[in-house]
Amino acid sequence: AQSVSQHNHHVILSEAASLELGCNYSYGGTVNLFWYVQYPGQHLQLLLKYFSGDPLVKGIKGFEAEFIKSKFSFNLRKPSVQWSDTAEYFCAVIPGNTGKLIFGQGTTLQVKP
Amino acid sequence: NAGVTQTPKFRILKIGQSMTLQCAQDMNHNYMYWYRQDPGMGLKLIYYSVGAGITDKGEVPNGYNVSRSTTEDFPLRLELAAPSQTSVYFCASSPLTNGYTFGSGTRLTVV
Repeated sequence: AQSVSQHNHHVILSEAASLELGCNYSYGGTVNLFWYVQYPGQHLQLLLKYFSGDPLVKGIKGFEAEFIKSKFSFNLRKPSVQWSDTAEYFCAVIPGNTGKLIFGQGTTLQVKP
Repeated sequence: NAGVTQTPKFRILKIGQSMTLQCAQDMNHNYMYWYRQDPGMGLKLIYYSVGAGITDKGEVPNGYNVSRSTTEDFPLRLELAAPSQTSVYFCASSPLTNGYTFGSGTRLTVV
């Protein structure tokens, strides 16, 4: 079955620390890849997406992600986190042309001021 | 432009009751989706639709039904509510297979 796995369930960082959240998917064909963020009490917002082309994708708020096809990975990075980045982060994949957006289980990021 | 509108925002149901969660979008998107979000589990796809008159099961369809009579509306029906259906439900829409827009969610408690 198609699935998305996020390695870290809960990450705690201090402000200005660097962030990397892991994401792997299980699908051998073409994929569309996404990272979403959910701030406390809010709905999901798109951080960035990858469809094709440059595997290094830049999104909003200083986030970026790198698609490594050989590793089936799409890790999210930010060089220096802020307290306002405290949120839950979800990796998601559309396998092929299925139209189904499949989510990972999410990673809670807590940034200490 | 309202985007994706979900109603109600909160609801408490008794076991065995039924209800319909409403979802409407005004962006003329073909694709619409229903997800449930449970702590530590991420979002699980319940049902989705690629256009009016077409629906398909997602990862966790049991206990739910949907219909898509118009492009704009995609209601989710719970026929016999069970405690396991206590969750936050999100509706989303998309023009094709990208650019998903999520609603603000419906928090459902079954007691």
